[in-house]
Amino acid sequence: DQQVKQNSPSLSVQEGRISILNCDYTNSMFDYFLWYKKYPAEGPTFLISISSIKDKNEDGRFTVFLNKSAKHLSLHIVPSQPGDSAVYFCAAINFYNQGGKLIFGQGTELSVKP
Amino acid sequence: GAGVSQSPSNKVTEKGKDVELRCDPISGHTALYWYRQSLGQGLEFLIYFQGNSAPDKSGLPSDRFSAERTGGSVSTLTIQRTQQEDSAVYLCASSPMGGRGDYGYTFGSGTRLTVV
Repeated sequence: DQQVKQNSPSLSVQEGRISILNCDYTNSMFDYFLWYKKYPAEGPTFLISISSIKDKNEDGRFTVFLNKSAKHLSLHIVPSQPGDSAVYFCAAINFYNQGGKLIFGQGTELSVKP
Repeated sequence: GAGVSQSPSNKVTEKGKDVELRCDPISGHTALYWYRQSLGQGLEFLIYFQGNSAPDKSGLPSDRFSAERTGGSVSTLTIQRTQQEDSAVYLCASSPMGGRGDYGYTFGSGTRLTVV
């Protein structure tokens, strides 16, 4: 049962334009949603998160939107830069019921072209 | 240490052999997690240690997999009688007090296991 899904394995965007990465989930009990960024041969690094009681969180060029009714979240990167090229993982946590276990999506590989 | 340290960074083993993967979490972090990423797949949860509580082993794929955490710090993931489908990058992460939803946790760089 894939509780967190990223249906686009890859995305290519021109430098300076907006990148939109999407994520869907099935478990309405998730407390927080997080985005991680992963470069080859490195571990994932935390990027941004959003609480289930909010619908938007912004940090510099990165904004995460949460639509609870649709069980959908998205990560917007504006403007996109070549250094943003990486695999992005969406993750969710049901902290109070399942502790710190993060459930990850399959990842989306973002390529930002100069 | 400054970050989560995993060793070895790469491991090639013959099918049927046992392997041990090591994780040194960030000092003071009470929670430790193991995940793995198979080729073309997402991050698959394996096991979770939180302080002195019984570990959450719900993600271990078979009884060939086991993990322990000694003294609330270093953890070892052991795979017995390795199979080719065990080939993956094994990632360890740690966090303070079971993690907080708003920042998740810190990952190591992983151990790339190849079973030939």
